[in-house]
Amino acid sequence: EPEVTQTPSHQVTQMGQEVILRCVPISNHLYFYWYRQILGQKVEFLVSFYNNEISEKSEIFDDQFSVERPDGSNFTLKIRSTKLEDSAMYFCASSEALFRRRTSGDSYEQYFGPGTRLTVT
Amino acid sequence: GNSVTQMEGPVTLSEEAFLTINCTYTATGYPSLFWYVQYPGEGLQLLLKATKADDKGSNKGFEATYRKETTSFHLEKGSVQVSDSAVYFCALEATGGGNKLTFGTGTQLKVEL
Repeated sequence: EPEVTQTPSHQVTQMGQEVILRCVPISNHLYFYWYRQILGQKVEFLVSFYNNEISEKSEIFDDQFSVERPDGSNFTLKIRSTKLEDSAMYFCASSEALFRRRTSGDSYEQYFGPGTRLTVT
Repeated sequence: GNSVTQMEGPVTLSEEAFLTINCTYTATGYPSLFWYVQYPGEGLQLLLKATKADDKGSNKGFEATYRKETTSFHLEKGSVQVSDSAVYFCALEATGGGNKLTFGTGTQLKVEL
């Protein structure tokens, strides 16, 4: 069964450093997402991406964050200058489509990767 | 704004016990509701979903019914197994909100022999 993969599984970095988290979405999917979960808190939406541009972003996704699909397979999240509060589990997800099917009301399932644990020291 | 509240864990049960994990939500319109499960070392997997009021989602013996009058989507299973030990996340997708998911904090379930 196709799956979303993420690398690395754990990243330790010093405050102020740049980090790039990598994701390989499922090959025929068109929509890509990043979520994060700070330890003990809710999983939070960061950004969605389609057709090489951001579709939607949360208030968390400020100028320190950027996303890119540098080639046909990878989807990356970059944090330019990490802060202690960026320490979290980061999940990548992908889906076939974005909009709810108008007739059935079904949503296209988002498939999640295993996550990258980012620790900022 | 939209939000999901689910019961805090961890929940520890004996094998074959009945499971309920409570989930309530706040949203405008008619959101779709989901339960995701995360097994150790793996990503979030969709367990079940319901897209309109009174729908019942079910999978692998788990069930949840979309109750609009109580804004709830409680997860139940009649007889849990050790292999059900995982973290369970309740989530919603708001109408007109693209596919952005709003999650609860997750509830860790541990099933013992």
